[in-house]
Amino acid sequence: EIVMTQSPATLSVSPGERATLSCRASQSVSSNLAWYQQKPGQAPRLLIYGASTRATGIPARFSGSGSGTEFTLTISSLQSEDFAVYYCQQYNNWRGLTFGGGTKVEIK
Amino acid sequence: QVQLQESGPGLVKPSQTLSLTCTVSGGSISSGSYYWSWIRQPAGKGLEWIGRIYTSGSTNYNPSLKSRVTISVDTSKNQFSLKLSSVTAADTAVYYCARAAIIAAAGIGPFDPWGQGTLVTVSS
Repeated sequence: EIVMTQSPATLSVSPGERATLSCRASQSVSSNLAWYQQKPGQAPRLLIYGASTRATGIPARFSGSGSGTEFTLTISSLQSEDFAVYYCQQYNNWRGLTFGGGTKVEIK
Repeated sequence: QVQLQESGPGLVKPSQTLSLTCTVSGGSISSGSYYWSWIRQPAGKGLEWIGRIYTSGSTNYNPSLKSRVTISVDTSKNQFSLKLSSVTAADTAVYYCARAAIIAAAGIGPFDPWGQGTLVTVSS
């Protein structure tokens, strides 16, 4: 099983500031990595796939980077609606899909 | 656009079998271009992939749950279903169904879209 580790667990950021979230894979997942946003009481929403491609309708302030085992999700200027939990997920090992533990982005 | 909706009992007794159905609307489950998955999330915790099915009936399951999971598809009803046997309190979670595209590079893509989720509580 590929273990996905996200850091930090909680990130306190002021509106308008940049947020940088990290995701590390226990072995290479190439660029087969996705990021999701989840708000309370809602299903996760796909933000980024292929490590760096924004999903349809996702604002340009969300960007993803990385390959292999190290990945980053950057939110360039946090808006009020961006405070949520973010998960990374690898789909390189299609027989065992795994998620990171999540990073909660909260208002500072 | 494709939408997914989970349905099933919200309360299951310990040792019994949890059964859920995901109904797909706005598109055909038989299109051949997608895998159909179940994912769960205990309250306040992270996401766990349970397994997936292809329109042909071919399945893959999370090794940690494989002995208790069965996923099936009913193309005539545009639905796929989850059965989880011998449940305990640890199986209490919100259960989501989701679609993932088949892609050349990795075989499977990310999950999009997701159903809204349904809470299943295991309790006597």
